Amino acid sequence: GAGVSQSPSNKVTEKGKDVELRCDPISGHTALYWYRQSLGQGLEFLIYFQGNSAPDKSGLPSDRFSAERTGGSVSTLTIQRTQQEDSAVYLCASTPPPGGYNSPLHFGNGTRLTVT
Amino acid sequence: DAKTTQPNSMESNEEEPVHLPCNHSTISGTDYIHWYRQLPSQGPEYVIHGLTSNVNNRMASLAIAEDRKSSTLILHRATLRDAAVYYCILRGYNNNDMRFGAGTRLTVKP
Repeated sequence: GAGVSQSPSNKVTEKGKDVELRCDPISGHTALYWYRQSLGQGLEFLIYFQGNSAPDKSGLPSDRFSAERTGGSVSTLTIQRTQQEDSAVYLCASTPPPGGYNSPLHFGNGTRLTVT
Repeated sequence: DAKTTQPNSMESNEEEPVHLPCNHSTISGTDYIHWYRQLPSQGPEYVIHGLTSNVNNRMASLAIAEDRKSSTLILHRATLRDAAVYYCILRGYNNNDMRFGAGTRLTVKP
């Protein structure tokens, strides 16, 4: 079946512009995560959505970053006034119900963001 | 937060077994041990997970120490396609507790 889909796969933007990154999770998956990965580094947790609960935004690095998940499915990560240090691969993952620590994450292949 | 410690890199020869260690001395009783791997230019993929007993699946085996302070991911016969970064993660009771470290970069030599 279809996996987690992220778009665009690559995005180049100028410093100061806003960008939107999209994630389509696997159908029926209730939990959704966003991570970012700088070149040669591990994954940095950004935000987590679980069903209708309030999202865990504890990993967002600044108030320029925000995310929403509409209808419990598609999610959009928005970065306002992009800076060069925002350049990274942004990864989305989803997990099936019932969720919890026994459910593996399914990752997309990420969006590579380059801020010039 | 419970943390894991892994070697930065390891090398293996093709068709030989590989043992990837992970230390997690501050693990709590409800933490599951998860392993993921990330192939070049791809998102991470799930490999295996366990709580106390050793686990086997088609990809790998997971050996968990009796005191649960360490674990080892075992690839029985490494192939060139197993070259990746391997992440050991403790996943706690809170569903959102999935913090990745730097992982171990495995190089497989032909």
